[in-house]
Amino acid sequence: SQQGEEDPQALSIQEGENATMNCSYKTSINNLQWYRQNSGRGLVHLILIRSNEREKHSGRLRVTLDTSKKSSSLLITASRAADTASYFCATTLTGGGNKLTFGTGTQLKVEL
Amino acid sequence: KAGVTQTPRYLIKTRGQQVTLSCSPISGHRSVSWYQQTPGQGLQFLFEYFSETQRNKGNFPGRFSGRQFSNSRSEMNVSTLELGDSALYLCASSLEQIPYEQYFGPGTRLTVT
Repeated sequence: SQQGEEDPQALSIQEGENATMNCSYKTSINNLQWYRQNSGRGLVHLILIRSNEREKHSGRLRVTLDTSKKSSSLLITASRAADTASYFCATTLTGGGNKLTFGTGTQLKVEL
Repeated sequence: KAGVTQTPRYLIKTRGQQVTLSCSPISGHRSVSWYQQTPGQGLQFLFEYFSETQRNKGNFPGRFSGRQFSNSRSEMNVSTLELGDSALYLCASSLEQIPYEQYFGPGTRLTVT
């Protein structure tokens, strides 16, 4: 079963705009990761944030984590058509090894 | 370094048959995990192997099994295939035993008819 939900399920924006996706989860976590998937292919790791971190940046990506609300957000700034993909958050639990529990995903479409 | 490779990429099987999927992790990675992705259930964890030992197992029936070899390559087997086993099967490898970023292969698309 999925750890939580992602919101929105689908998002359509114009190139150059920012895209924000939210993820909620149910249990205490070790870390939270974001992945991108293009058209039913393999997933690509984007960023990992540990439970004791609140914010992390990587290029045009900004991730926040609020453990009190059990939620995270992914911001993609200055979106490009190549950012069109599905985005998933995934959590790991303390003592759970590398097991990832995925959210439901957000389908992002960036139009020219 | 070469990425995670999975073979075969596409597979069509008939109900009742069995299938074996293969995964070669990134060189030096000792953790290999398997996931099933379907439109209805999303991405679900099957199992994780680390240094030839199954460390975690998801909530799948015993028809799903796996193993890892001494060179970290992994296989998963599904016996007595059902229509609902049609899915994209993804393998991921990771460097460390602690929760770490994972690198996914392109997946094997299994269709059961």
